[in-house]
Amino acid sequence: SQQGEEDPQALSIQEGENATMNCSYKTSINNLQWYRQNSGRGLVHLILIRSNEREKHSGRLRVTLDTSKKSSSLLITASRAADTASYFCAIPPTGGFKTIFGAGTRLFVKA
Amino acid sequence: DTEVTQTPKHLVMGMTNKKSLKCEQHMGHRAMYWYKQKAKKPPELMFVYSYEKLSINESVPSRFSPECPNSSLLNLHLHALQPEDSALYLCASSQSPLGTSGTNTGELFFGEGSRLTVL
Repeated sequence: SQQGEEDPQALSIQEGENATMNCSYKTSINNLQWYRQNSGRGLVHLILIRSNEREKHSGRLRVTLDTSKKSSSLLITASRAADTASYFCAIPPTGGFKTIFGAGTRLFVKA
Repeated sequence: DTEVTQTPKHLVMGMTNKKSLKCEQHMGHRAMYWYKQKAKKPPELMFVYSYEKLSINESVPSRFSPECPNSSLLNLHLHALQPEDSALYLCASSQSPLGTSGTNTGELFFGEGSRLTVL
């Protein structure tokens, strides 16, 4: 499969809790990206981590990358109902045109 | 607000109709993409235009016909579609089609999508 793998497929938490989603991939990478998609809308770029970085923060987002295990995780701290969305990891091509998307994690944050 | 604009937002068509989806970006990006997305699935690449030339056709049926009139516009012409073609169609652009190198991160900028229903 060309897809990256994500887990969990779905996650339901209470507002204020942290949400962690994981992504595994098979190819070599220059960077790995995370996108968010609200229901029925387009994808929005959240954060990018380069292959020589291990951790990156942006507001309530924390991304880690372990290239030896070919895996990444996205942590959303102090979640809000507005964080309810699908989250996809994405590996852009090192050459060529085809970005590989993970299967996605559907996050539901209960108010 | 997205900088990639897609029209229409919703489209309902019969199997004998001809319709078009339109996409526009003014970021100076040289790669534009059409993706198809089914519910609870990731986007699935259909076509890539690089410097206004078709670079990838992911074995998409000929009832889908892409067109790139200029570097800012991308169309997807639809004809004789099937009910299973109902999906969210996403347009995206990226700075350069040359993979990730130098300052090019490969970040994709998506439009809000066109929800297509084929009756």
